[in-house]
Amino acid sequence: DIQMTQSPSTLSASVGDRVTITCRASQSIRSWLAWYQQKPGKAPKLLIYQASSLESGVPSRFSGSGFGTEFTLTISSLQPDDFATYYCQQYNSYLVTFGGGTKVEIK
Amino acid sequence: EVQLLESGGGLLQPGGSLRLSCAASGFTFSNFAMSWVRQSPGKGLEWVSAISSNGGSTYYADSVKGRFTISRDNSKNTLYLQVNSLRAEDTAIFYCAKDLSSVGATTFDSWGQGTLVTVSS
Repeated sequence: DIQMTQSPSTLSASVGDRVTITCRASQSIRSWLAWYQQKPGKAPKLLIYQASSLESGVPSRFSGSGFGTEFTLTISSLQPDDFATYYCQQYNSYLVTFGGGTKVEIK
Repeated sequence: EVQLLESGGGLLQPGGSLRLSCAASGFTFSNFAMSWVRQSPGKGLEWVSAISSNGGSTYYADSVKGRFTISRDNSKNTLYLQVNSLRAEDTAIFYCAKDLSSVGATTFDSWGQGTLVTVSS
């Protein structure tokens, strides 16, 4: 199975900060990576797919990049609604795996 | 608007069985693959199983292979997960998720609200 490692596991930031979350795959997954946002008590929400494609309706302050084994999710200017947990997910094969999550907290 | 409504969760003893259901609306159900994803209390997301749009292909995580069975009824717009031989570590919220593709587990663009399965003696 392909293992996904996210860092950091927790991130403290302020409104307006630029935030970057990293996800590393244990082997190449080309561009087959998605990012999700999850708030407490809610289902996850798709933000980014195919490493850099923004899902419809997601604010443009979210962006994704990377190829192969290293990927990043960037929030260009953190907003109050963005405090949540973020997960990466690979789909290089149909046996998908998620990263462990990054919790973005208020500093 | 896509809606996915899970049901069937509950409190079960180890070794027990149940069937989870996910009623879909707001899209052409038979055109899309579907998956089950679970989340143990306070933990991360774990993909469990996927099924292609026509039901002809199924996929399972190693942790549930041989114990869980995914199926779908496209005439009823409903996804199912039969879970057998339950263990304490299966305690989780189970989400059904709509895939962007028709063939298997790729990207999940819509999720249900989840149904809680608790395994305890």
